[in-house]
Amino acid sequence: GNSVTQMEGPVTLSEEAFLTINCTYTATGYPSLFWYVQYPGEGLQLLLKATKADDKGSNKGFEATYRKETTSFHLEKGSVQVSDSAVYFCALMTTDSWGKLQFGAGTQVVVTP
Amino acid sequence: DTAVSQTPKYLVTQMGNDKSIKCEQNLGHDTMYWYKQDSKKFLKIMFSYNNKELIINETVPNRFSPKSPDKAHLNLHINSLELGDSAVYFCASSQVGRRNTGELFFGEGSRLTVL
Repeated sequence: GNSVTQMEGPVTLSEEAFLTINCTYTATGYPSLFWYVQYPGEGLQLLLKATKADDKGSNKGFEATYRKETTSFHLEKGSVQVSDSAVYFCALMTTDSWGKLQFGAGTQVVVTP
Repeated sequence: DTAVSQTPKYLVTQMGNDKSIKCEQNLGHDTMYWYKQDSKKFLKIMFSYNNKELIINETVPNRFSPKSPDKAHLNLHINSLELGDSAVYFCASSQVGRRNTGELFFGEGSRLTVL
C-alpha cells in the first residue's frame, strides 16, 4: 500500500538557520506530493505541492523537489523564522483516490530567537 | 467568511455518551472528509463523501456514522464514546475530478476529550 515516511521531530533550530525535513514515499503509479503545515491550535494548510517528477514546489521561502528516482520530497528553507514553528506534514495523493491524502507522521519544528 | 467551519471546537464528555460534530464548507467543493488526529499528531482519514455519496470508508468502528445532508455539510455522529476516541477531528473539503487541484482545505479541528 501507499505510505509516507518523514523524519521524526522535534527539530529545534535557531532563527536564520537552514531547515531540512526529509520525506520519502512508497506508492504505485505517479502520486502528487504535498507539504502541509499546522500552526499551533489551527488546522492544516497547504504549504506547497508537486504533481510530477522533477517539479519543484515553493511557497513562503520553502521548497521541495519531487525526486522519482529516490522517491523523495524533502522540504527545505534557507533561513527560518520564529513564525515557522509548526508541525509539517508530508503527504501523497494518487489519481484514483478521490482526493484521499496519505500523511506522514508529522515533524514538529521549533525555532528559537 | 471561514471556508471550512466545524462545531464545536471543544467537546468534553463521559464514556458511553453519544456526540456529534458538524462541518460546513462554503467553497462550492463536491467532496468532504473527516480525518482523525491522535495525540501523537498522526492524521488518518476516516470517511469521505462526494456529492452526498459515501466514497471512502476506512476501517472505523461502526459507532462512527457520518451523514451528509447536502454537499456543503458533513456531520460526524459517535455513539457509545470510548476513551480511545479522544482526538482532534478535522473536517476538510476539496474539488475532486476534472478541476481537481489536489488541495484539501481543512477546518480548525474539533478536540474531543472522553473522560
